[in-house]
Amino acid sequence: GENVEQHPSTLSVQEGDSAVIKCTYSDSASNYFPWYKQELGKRPQLIIDIRSNVGEKKDQRIAVTLNKTAKHFSLHITETQPEDSAVYFCAASNPLAFQKLVFGTGTRLLVSP
Amino acid sequence: DTEVTQTPKHLVMGMTNKKSLKCEQHMGHRAMYWYKQKAKKPPELMFVYSYEKLSINESVPSRFSPECPNSSLLNLHLHALQPEDSALYLCASSHMTGGRGNQPQHFGDGTRLSIL
Repeated sequence: GENVEQHPSTLSVQEGDSAVIKCTYSDSASNYFPWYKQELGKRPQLIIDIRSNVGEKKDQRIAVTLNKTAKHFSLHITETQPEDSAVYFCAASNPLAFQKLVFGTGTRLLVSP
Repeated sequence: DTEVTQTPKHLVMGMTNKKSLKCEQHMGHRAMYWYKQKAKKPPELMFVYSYEKLSINESVPSRFSPECPNSSLLNLHLHALQPEDSALYLCASSHMTGGRGNQPQHFGDGTRLSIL
């Protein structure tokens, strides 16, 4: 089955800096890769996703890149703000598995003012 | 705004109790999911329903019994739970792929369950 690794487990940056979180997946048949942000005590919230037919996707300060050959995908947050502080989870999904999401272990991002 | 509504928000129960968790969505989604999340861990899939039929059971113990009575509702019936079952239980929903590839899953706020 699919296995998703995520690094780093914690990331501390100063406000205005960029943050990068990296994930690798094992199942070459996976073709959908969402990113979720989870604030303390809150639900996971979808912030961006990418499909395997696309190499990069941007939404304002957030971008995701995908390297299918290396089975890597990354989340990039520019001009970080204190409200970006949260746990971020990457996930991968194989289209033949009823849209089952396999999550990475999470990255705790702390943005200091 | 939470488009997937879960009740109750908190639940404390003894190991001999029977209780149910409820999830409701009105987005026309025909795929619904139960996840379990322990503290400082990612969500782990328990069950998937597609068109009100159970599609995936991730080898979940029988003390957890899911039910999908209609396209908007998803229940999780609990009986004889163990202390290690204490966790946040998240419901999610999405459109079916319909040949368009995987669809975004939207999560509810969860039920925080404590087993005494």
